[in-house]
Amino acid sequence: EAQVTQNPRYLITVTGKKLTVTCSQNMNHEYMSWYRQDPGLGLRQIYYSMNVEVTDKGDVPEGYKVSRKEKRNFPLILESPSPNQTSLYFCASSTRDRGMGNEQFFGPGTRLTVL
Amino acid sequence: QKEVEQDPGPLSVPEGAIVSLNCTYSNSAFQYFMWYRQYSRKGPELLMYTYSSGNKEDGRFTAQVDKSSKYISLFIRDSQPSDSATYLCAMSAWDDKIIFGKGTRLHILP
Repeated sequence: EAQVTQNPRYLITVTGKKLTVTCSQNMNHEYMSWYRQDPGLGLRQIYYSMNVEVTDKGDVPEGYKVSRKEKRNFPLILESPSPNQTSLYFCASSTRDRGMGNEQFFGPGTRLTVL
Repeated sequence: QKEVEQDPGPLSVPEGAIVSLNCTYSNSAFQYFMWYRQYSRKGPELLMYTYSSGNKEDGRFTAQVDKSSKYISLFIRDSQPSDSATYLCAMSAWDDKIIFGKGTRLHILP
């Protein structure tokens, strides 16, 4: 089954404790991205990757890191989480370019709470 | 002015009614227009996709784009309780990132 998986689905942590949210897709997609979704603010892109070893900042990259060492994986790293990073996070992947109407396949989401 | 504007709702309509969801935008370079549906506790999934102006129909769903007015719509005919979800419009220019609306929460009342 074609899918994007994220782990963990739910995470409660404390300020300053490094964490990683994993994302994996089995569709051989070149393009992957991370979004956060907050009430009243909608989906905002954090980082994206056009291909292996190619990453770039989205609209809200502060406090986050990413890496793309393999085509299928695109982990999101919070080196020192803060309460304002409490949010619902989605990983997404698509073929080729980030625009052009290519369908983005979203993962199930990770609900993160930072105390 | 925000790039994409979408009324957050909630919008409540009785089962069987026609639903109209709308977005306005300011960037005249947008030419790819999409509607995503997001059920509670799920990720968004692509519902409809249109390129440039015009209408596109898929079953009970019709997507409409009016580039002259910078206005897009999604119509749902014979609405069902299973259509209750948040609907996000999304759009992009050539080879550029996708911009999402904030989503409209829709409730179909049985």
